Amino acid sequence: KQEVTQIPAALSVPEGENLVLNCSFTDSAIYNLQWFRQDPGKGLTSLLLIQSSQREQTSGRLNASLDKSSGRSTLYIAASQPGDSATYLCAVPTDKLIFGTGTRLQVFP
Amino acid sequence: DTGVSQNPRHKITKRGQNVTFRCDPISEHNRLYWYRQTLGQGPEFLTYFQNEAQLEKSRLLSDRFSAERPKGSFSTLEIQRTEQGDSAMYLCASSLDGLQGTGNTIYFGEGSWLTVV
Repeated sequence: KQEVTQIPAALSVPEGENLVLNCSFTDSAIYNLQWFRQDPGKGLTSLLLIQSSQREQTSGRLNASLDKSSGRSTLYIAASQPGDSATYLCAVPTDKLIFGTGTRLQVFP
Repeated sequence: DTGVSQNPRHKITKRGQNVTFRCDPISEHNRLYWYRQTLGQGPEFLTYFQNEAQLEKSRLLSDRFSAERPKGSFSTLEIQRTEQGDSAMYLCASSLDGLQGTGNTIYFGEGSWLTVV
């Protein structure tokens, strides 16, 4: 049974810092891994989808890496801004998505 | 707006009442998913449909919960005899096809908040 965990559960940093969010999964036989952003009380917005054949995927200040063999993915946020404050969730697909518990990020000015 | 639409966005109900949520997926998407999310937790899978067929139901979906997707278009999630523990956000999502090996992206609605008092 696939299980996904995320650390840290919460993070509070000053503006401008570079951040690393961690995601681990127990079954390395995954097809892809997806990172989402969730603003308070809102639905989920897809940020990055990494195929199993890829090691990295980049979008603007966001970079996600995937290491299937170790069952890990990291989301790197460069030069964080207050607008990055949200919950970040990683998920892996079976016939549906299995989510981690998320990392609540607060970036203060 | 061609995204996933959920209604109502907020519902407050008394314990013991029935509630129904509706989800309109992206029109060409064959798969439709329901998730439940409580504060501080990631979304938990409830059920999903391939067109009109309900292919999987989580153990979280007690006999008070029922979901339908008539004609493979919109879906409804009904909760009968609501309990305070049902208070959560109910998320609907859709995808063109399966999520494995195809890189299909899943799209989420804004969610329906349920508060049972």
